Amino acid sequence: GAGVSQTPSNKVTEKGKYVELRCDPISGHTALYWYRQSLGQGPEFLIYFQGTGAADDSGLPNDRFFAVRPEGSVSTLKIQRTERGDSAVYLCASSSQGAGNTGELFFGEGSRLTVL
Amino acid sequence: AQRVTQPEKLLSVFKGAPVELKCNYSYSGSPELFWYVQYSRQRLQLLLRHISRESIKGFTADLNKGETSFHLKKPFAQEEDSAMYYCALRRGVQFYFGTGTSLTVIP
Repeated sequence: GAGVSQTPSNKVTEKGKYVELRCDPISGHTALYWYRQSLGQGPEFLIYFQGTGAADDSGLPNDRFFAVRPEGSVSTLKIQRTERGDSAVYLCASSSQGAGNTGELFFGEGSRLTVL
Repeated sequence: AQRVTQPEKLLSVFKGAPVELKCNYSYSGSPELFWYVQYSRQRLQLLLRHISRESIKGFTADLNKGETSFHLKKPFAQEEDSAMYYCALRRGVQFYFGTGTSLTVIP
C-alpha cells in the first residue's frame, strides 16, 4: 500500500532487552516523526527527521532511546535496556515538506510495545 | 511552553444532537491548529486544519485567539462520528497533541 508502514505491530519483550521498531514512510516524504502514545494520553513527540538527519531529538526521554534513518527513507527506533515504563504504542508519521506544505501528518498503525 | 488541553476525556451525545469537542491551547506565537481523528481500528488521520477554514464531514472549528480555543463542532451528530478526537498545535515542525476526547454517538 501507499501508506506509512510500521513493523512489528506488536512486540512483547522482557525488561532489560533490546528492541527495534521499524517505520517505512510514504514514498517521497522527507519528514519523518516518531511519537509515543501511552494509555489515555495523546501522542508525545520523540524525534523528527528531515532527510537522513535527526533535526530535532528533544523528545527522546533518555539515552536508551535512539533512532536512525540512514538513507532518508526507512527509520528504526531503537530502545536499549527496556523498562516496564517503555510500554506504549509507538507511532510513526511522515509528511511532505517544502513550499505549499500543508503540515499534514500521515500516521502508521503503530507498534504496540509491552515490556514485562 | 506549548500546551493543548482537551478537558473532556469522554463525551456522549445522541444521534442528531449537536456536538462540541473542546480544545484550548497555550502558545505565545501565532498558532497553527489541527484536529486529528482515529476511528475504531484505523490509524490517526487529519480531520481539519484551521488555516483552510474548511468543513469536513460536517465538522467545523474556529480559532478564537481571545479565548485561545479551537473547539470542534457539528450541528447534527451521526453514529459514524464515534471516534477518538485529538486537537493538535504545530510550532515549526513539531506537533503537540492533546490527550484526546472519545466521542460516542448514541443511536
